[in-house]
This record gives sequence, C-alpha cells and structure tokens, in this order.
Amino acid sequence: AQKVTQAQTEISVVEKEDVTLDCVYETRDTTYYLFWYKQPPSGELVFLIRRNSFDEQNEISGRYSWNFQKSTSSFNFTITASQVVDSAVYFCALRTQGGSEKLVFGKGTKLTVNP
Amino acid sequence: DADVTQTPRNRITKTGKRIMLECSQTKGHDRMYWYRQDPGLGLRLIYYSFDVKDINKGEISDGYSVSRQAQAKFSLSLESAIPNQTALYFCATSDKTGAHTDTQYFGPGTRLTVL
Repeated sequence: AQKVTQAQTEISVVEKEDVTLDCVYETRDTTYYLFWYKQPPSGELVFLIRRNSFDEQNEISGRYSWNFQKSTSSFNFTITASQVVDSAVYFCALRTQGGSEKLVFGKGTKLTVNP
Repeated sequence: DADVTQTPRNRITKTGKRIMLECSQTKGHDRMYWYRQDPGLGLRLIYYSFDVKDINKGEISDGYSVSRQAQAKFSLSLESAIPNQTALYFCATSDKTGAHTDTQYFGPGTRLTVL
C-alpha cells in the first residue's frame, strides 16, 4: 500500500523566514512519482512539481526548492524568504504505476506567513 | 480561460435530492478523475476514466455515479444526497506518458453542502 505522511499540520512563520515542509512516503514500487500541490485560501489546487523515482536530483525554482532523498523516503519542500502570498495548504502526493494511477495525498500542511 | 472548469462552484442541496457536478477540460487529455476533499483527510478518489469507454470505481464510489459524455466532459452524480457527502469535490485531468498517467491538473473545485 502507498502512504504519504506530512507530520506538520500547521506552520506559522514571519515574512522573509525560510520554511521547510516535510513529506515522507511509503511504497514498495520501484517506479513512482512524487508531487507537491498548493491550495491557497481560494481553494483551487495548483501543481508545483513532479519528481520521478529514478531522478534524485534536487530542483530549485525561484524561491522554491525540493530535496528528494530515496534513502529516507522523503521529498521535502523549502520556501526561501517566505512571503504572505505563500500562505496556503501544501499537499505532498505519491503516484505509482498501474491500476487507477491515482494520487495518494498526505493530509497537508497549512502554512501561514505573517507580515 | 481555465483549462479545467467545474460547475457549479458552490451548491447547497437537501438530503435525498439528486445532484450532478460537471467537469469540462480543454487540455485534450484522455484521463479524468473525481476526488473529494474532507477537512483533515486530504483527497480521496471517487471515480476515474482513462477514456470515454473506460470508467472505473475509486476507493469511495458508494453513493456516486459518473458519466463520460465526451473526451472533454466527465460528470459526477449523487443519486440521493446525504449529509456526509458534504465536501469539496475536485475534477482532475491527465495526459499519458506511454501507457501511464502524467501529471494530474485540477479544476477549481465544487463546494457541496447537503443539509
């Protein structure tokens, strides 16, 4: 069975602080995909990144960076110099191949960035 | 215009009523999904469709039915709504990479309240 754990339910920071959102996943499959989605207060789900299991290279996109470590089954997300507009619920998700190929979501981390 | 649209965006209905949620996409994707989001539970898969003639149950399909009217349209019906179907419903679409699902992109969501 697949499982995604986001242990941090809520995080509150002050603007310009760096913040890391943790994601730990479980799967027995050797080929899988990891995702991060952002859900702002308006409610939509915005795709941020996809990472394949065979590519452990970390990625940086502006103030966002992702650290994928297969050895610890983690796919952590760091926001550098956080801004108020980063306030949202962030979901980590896992998809394996075969069957429905559904996304298995963590329960989300609510990030509040205070001015 | 948005690539994935959902109608209605908000709906309040009464127990026992039949209700249909509609999803349309202009992304040209073959694969479409319906998820529901409940507070603290992340998203769970209701139904999915890999093409017009291929419709499958997800993990929580009881009390729901779907119709794939065309490649671009995937509707979710609640035949007799009950209060515990109060939730935020998302439609998602995906292209294929080879035989497998690519990144899923979500619609804006429909907030359904059953009184």
